[in-house]
Amino acid sequence: NAGVMQNPRHLVRRRGQEARLRCSPMKGHSHVYWYRQLPEEGLKFMVYLQKENIIDESGMPKERFSAEFPKEGPSILRIQQVVRGDSAAYFCASSPGTGAHEQYFGPGTRLTVT
Amino acid sequence: SQQGEEDPQALSIQEGENATMNCSYKTSINNLQWYRQNSGRGLVHLILIRSNEREKHSGRLRVTLDTSKKSSSLLITASRAADTASYFCATEETGANNLFFGTGTRLTVIP
Repeated sequence: NAGVMQNPRHLVRRRGQEARLRCSPMKGHSHVYWYRQLPEEGLKFMVYLQKENIIDESGMPKERFSAEFPKEGPSILRIQQVVRGDSAAYFCASSPGTGAHEQYFGPGTRLTVT
Repeated sequence: SQQGEEDPQALSIQEGENATMNCSYKTSINNLQWYRQNSGRGLVHLILIRSNEREKHSGRLRVTLDTSKKSSSLLITASRAADTASYFCATEETGANNLFFGTGTRLTVIP
């Protein structure tokens, strides 16, 4: 029973490049959440998706960031034209549904922008 | 949006001692959850306490919730060196879809 999978685990990009982060939720989970963690800080919510729908993107920067969760395949967090301030750990979590369900976290992708 | 505040920010104890961490939040919640994060790793869910519950146990963990004070505590009894990690509280706000995480308590258990 595989847990939440994220890849890559580490990603280095130069300023101006694009970063694509992938998340495969746990089997049977249809809800995916993306969080960002800066060094020495807690996690900050970015976006909540269900299959083919963005439910809540209130934590997502308005520009350069986008997320999708297609009918088939993993959820993708895409950051265009990365800047140094985008360097962080990005965590994906999944849950079977809303309402008092714990979220299961992936190992994270550590993005470094040089 | 609310962000939980954890106290203390860092805690260092001897193996065998108990560790207590506190979390305060600001708005009404459906539930409060505690997570653990080892350095450089993902988060591991420890325990969930609903807003109508006051205390919950899981192994060496004891969590309390006081909704009138908007606070929670996590007690780890008989600590072990392997408990060394950062501990985060996270609240599921009423009507919200996501978790709001606190700033974390970094626990060091000295063997």
